[in-house]
Parts: sequence; structure tokens; C-alpha cells
Amino acid sequence: EPEVTQTPSHQVTQMGQEVILRCVPISNHLYFYWYRQILGQKVEFLVSFYNNEISEKSEIFDDQFSVERPDGSNFTLKIRSTKLEDSAMYFCASRATANSPLHFGNGTRLTVT
Amino acid sequence: QKEVEQDPGPLSVPEGAIVSLNCTYSNSAFQYFMWYRQYSRKGPELLMYTYSSGNKEDGRFTAQVDKSSKYISLFIRDSQPSDSATYLCAMSADRGSTLGRLYFGRGTQLTVWP
Repeated sequence: EPEVTQTPSHQVTQMGQEVILRCVPISNHLYFYWYRQILGQKVEFLVSFYNNEISEKSEIFDDQFSVERPDGSNFTLKIRSTKLEDSAMYFCASRATANSPLHFGNGTRLTVT
Repeated sequence: QKEVEQDPGPLSVPEGAIVSLNCTYSNSAFQYFMWYRQYSRKGPELLMYTYSSGNKEDGRFTAQVDKSSKYISLFIRDSQPSDSATYLCAMSADRGSTLGRLYFGRGTQLTVWP
């Protein structure tokens, strides 16, 4: 069964450094998302992306965050200058149509020291 | 943000028991309701997906939505040790292309012991 693939599975970085989290959504999917889950807290929406542009973003997704679909298969989340509070699991998700459910990857655990 | 409330448990039941998991919500705009299962250090895995009110059954799993009470449930029949995981409810509003913005509950940790 096709799945959403995320790399790396674990990323450790120092505060102030830039990180790029990578995702390969399911191949025929058109809508792409990033969510995050801080340890012990709810899964939270960050951003949605469709037709090569952001369609919605949450209040968490400030100027330090950006997303890109650099080619036909990858979808990336960049954090420009990481903070301690950015430590979380970051999940990429995709769906085929506007009415189909989201499928999640296994996440990237980001640790900011 | 208290849009979706879910008892975190933990819930521990013997193998073969019927499990009932529940969420309440406050936003009457929610139209799509999902249950995800999450194993440790893995991403949420879709279990059930329903639109508006009613019941949906898939094997041992039954999802119920009561929009008048803003209450959703997931029932697991004949529970197995392999069902041990965290169960997340999630929901979204009918807003066209932004349907993918899900609001999650905190998750209920379930253990099924043999």
C-alpha cells in the first residue's frame, strides 16, 4: 500500500540553526500538509499546500517556517532559526482529493538543543 | 484550545472486551470525523472516516457520530492485544480545499492484555 515517507526519522540541531524536514507524499495525491506533535500534547495543524501554494496556515506557522515542493515528488518544511520550543514530532500528510482523508507519514522527531 | 476533548486514559481491558472511546467537540461547523490509531513512535494511521451523523462499521470497528450532542465514539469489538495503541479522534469543517485542517483530540492510550 502506498505510504507517505519522511526523512530523517530523527534530527538533532542546535538552537538558531536551520533545518529542513523532507517528505515524499503518496504519488497521486494533490494536497499536502504539515502537522506537529509536542510531547504529551495534541497533534496540531501547521500548514496546507495545494496547487503550489499555501492554502491555509495556523498561528504557529510564522515567518520562521516555510514549505516548498521543489519537484514532482518532494515536499519540505524549513525552519529558519530553530528554537527550543520547536522540538516536536513533525508529521507530513497528504490526500488525493478535497474530500478524501489524510494519510500521515511516520514523522520526524526534531530535537533542538 | 479546547475544540476537541478526549479522555487520555489510560484504558486497560482484557482481550475480547468491547472498548468504547469517545470525543466531544464544541465547533458545530465540524462535518468530517475520523479516528486514527497511533503506535509508539509512528504516525497516525487512519481507521475510520465518516461524514456528518450516523454509524459506520468496518470489521470489528464501529464509528458513531451524534452531531446534535457534538459527541463521537469508536467501538472496538473482540479487542486484541494488537489493538494496544493510542487512539486519536480528529475532525474538520466543510471548507472546500481547506478540509485537511484537522483538529485532534489528545488521544486515548489503550492497552489490551491477553
